[in-house]
Amino acid sequence: EAGVAQSPRYKIIEKRQSVAFWCNPISGHATLYWYQQILGQGPKLLIQFQNNGVVDDSQLPKDRFSAERLKGVDSTLKIQPAKLEDSAVYLCASRLPTGELFFGEGSRLTVL
Amino acid sequence: EDQVTQSPEALRLQEGESSSLNCSYTVSGLRGLFWYRQDPGKGPEFLFTLYSAGEEKEKERLKATLTKKESFLHITAPKPEDSATYLCAVQGSAGNNRKLIWGLGTSLAVNP
Repeated sequence: EAGVAQSPRYKIIEKRQSVAFWCNPISGHATLYWYQQILGQGPKLLIQFQNNGVVDDSQLPKDRFSAERLKGVDSTLKIQPAKLEDSAVYLCASRLPTGELFFGEGSRLTVL
Repeated sequence: EDQVTQSPEALRLQEGESSSLNCSYTVSGLRGLFWYRQDPGKGPEFLFTLYSAGEEKEKERLKATLTKKESFLHITAPKPEDSATYLCAVQGSAGNNRKLIWGLGTSLAVNP
C-alpha cells in the first residue's frame, strides 16, 4: 500500500516570498492533517480536513497560511508571504478510523 | 488544560541496556494514547495505540503500557537501530479534547 506522498522534500526561499506544499494521502483515508514541526519539538497542528471540509484550523496563521483539499483527496498548503519563523518541517498525515496517523516524509522549509 | 509531558528529554544507552521512556498526560476522558517513532529527516512512524489503563502492547524490543496518568515505553536490550526520537500523543473524548495533544519527544541514542 502506498504511503502518504509529499513534495517538495526541501525548499529554500527568501522572506516575503511564497511557497506551496503538496500532499497525497493514503487512498481511502478521509481525514488529512497538516502539521508544522520545528526542530526539537512535537508536531503542531495547522489544519485538519475531513474529506474536503475543514474540521479544525484554529492554529493556522490565516493572514499568511492557506490550505485546500478541493476534491477530498490531495491537498495543498501555501505560505504567502513567508517569515523567518516559518522555517520548519511541514508534515502531512492521513488517519485511519481507529485514530492512527500515517505521516509523509515531510517538506523542509528554510526561509532566509 | 490537556497536557502531555515526556521524560527524559534525551537518553543515551549502551547496546543491550534496557530502559523506559515516560509519557505523563492530563486529558478529560482518554480516547487513545499513541506512540510514534521519528527518525531524523522523516515523518513520525506509528508504533502503538493504547486505549485503557492496564493495556499493554509489544513489538519486537518495545513494550508500551498504560495507567490512568502515564504510559511507559519499555525498550528491552536495545540495538543501535532503535536510536530515534519517540513521540507520545493523547486524544481526549469530548469536544475540543478530541484534538491530538503531542509531547516534545524523547531522543534516544543507543551506542554499540
